[in-house]
Amino acid sequence: EAGVAQSPRYKIIEKRQSVAFWCNPISGHATLYWYQQILGQGPKLLIQFQNNGVVDDSQLPKDRFSAERLKGVDSTLKIQPAKLEDSAVYLCASSFGLAGGLLGLAKNIQYFGAGTRLSVL
Amino acid sequence: ELKVEQNPLFLSMQEGKNYTIYCNYSTTSDRLYWYRQDPGKSLESLFVLLSNGAVKQEGRLMASLDTKARLSTLHITAAVHDLSATYFCAVDSIGNQFYFGTGTSLTVIP
Repeated sequence: EAGVAQSPRYKIIEKRQSVAFWCNPISGHATLYWYQQILGQGPKLLIQFQNNGVVDDSQLPKDRFSAERLKGVDSTLKIQPAKLEDSAVYLCASSFGLAGGLLGLAKNIQYFGAGTRLSVL
Repeated sequence: ELKVEQNPLFLSMQEGKNYTIYCNYSTTSDRLYWYRQDPGKSLESLFVLLSNGAVKQEGRLMASLDTKARLSTLHITAAVHDLSATYFCAVDSIGNQFYFGTGTSLTVIP
């Protein structure tokens, strides 16, 4: 079974530039998550989709970050314009069910991609 | 906002020794996950715990959950070098939100 695919693996940009990340979840997984992991910290949830609808984006800095999952499969996360403090690893994860949902636990486990390491100079 | 705290943040232990990592969380939840992350790699699911008193074991790792105390533990038995990694707990709140702990960086010394 193919895992969660992310690209690019690395990106270096200057502040005020724009950047986009792409994620392809595991086939059949309805729920997709984007996390920001700053060096030395745990991942922080930015946005959560179920199919093509947003379930939670309360921690997404909406003045500069946006995300979409138009056809309920692939997703893109964009930062425009980037700031120095956006330097982090951006992780995409997917699960069959919804976090906190009523499906069996195995279906709520999140599977993570390798991440995109962003450096903002 | 739900808070998830782990301790210790850093742990250096000798091979063959036992130790426990603690995960405390601040709100009601009956689902707790443990993940492992190797340097430069992504997160790998280790355990999923549901309900008070749940215990799961895999090899030298055993995880438990006490929902009344809002506490989970990850116990390491007879540590080996291959267990060196960062371990995260994560809580799945009733509001469909998922929060990770601060992480525990484990180094097992030969």
